[in-house]
Amino acid sequence: DQQVKQNSPSLSVQEGRISILNCDYTNSMFDYFLWYKKYPAEGPTFLISISSIKDKNEDGRFTVFLNKSAKHLSLHIVPSQPGDSAVYFCAAKGGANNLFFGTGTRLTVIP
Amino acid sequence: DAGVIQSPRHEVTEMGQEVTLRCKPISGHNSLFWYRQTMMRGLELLIYFNNNVPIDDSGMPEDRFSAKMPNASFSTLKIQPSEPRDSAVYFCASLAGTIYNEQFFGPGTRLTVL
Repeated sequence: DQQVKQNSPSLSVQEGRISILNCDYTNSMFDYFLWYKKYPAEGPTFLISISSIKDKNEDGRFTVFLNKSAKHLSLHIVPSQPGDSAVYFCAAKGGANNLFFGTGTRLTVIP
Repeated sequence: DAGVIQSPRHEVTEMGQEVTLRCKPISGHNSLFWYRQTMMRGLELLIYFNNNVPIDDSGMPEDRFSAKMPNASFSTLKIQPSEPRDSAVYFCASLAGTIYNEQFFGPGTRLTVL
């Protein structure tokens, strides 16, 4: 059973606007969350992360929000740029080293 | 550093054949992970190693799949015999140590089993 879910397989946004990608998880033992970005024919690359003791982490145009009570996190990209078009994976980590990934959301930023 | 290296990048084989995928982790990283990406299930963890020792292989789909890590700089994922449903992109990732959280991924091997 998927412990990390990304319910929107795709999202289209106009350049310059905000992109919001969502992720839900079921395991309350997860203590660290990551977002990865994947371009075609490449491996996923790390984008931004957040510890469960925080509710927000910001890095330039990228901000991740964590709502532990709702078991929900989101990635905000503002302003969105055409180069942001990629598949975004949400991942969660528990006590061990392994990550649990969602199925990904394909973001398309329209120029 | 060259990053995580995987070979081959593409593999096309016929059902029943043996397939071996290879991975070289980033030097100094002591954890290695094998994932499979499919449309339906996204990125699934197949197996991971700490210090060359398999820790969790519960994601390995069946006995046709096996993985080895004979030393810190090399790992293989073998499928024997291969089946069309094994067609997917297989990724290898490495991690610097238990206090770190970011895994670094290789470019993947696209496997097609006819």
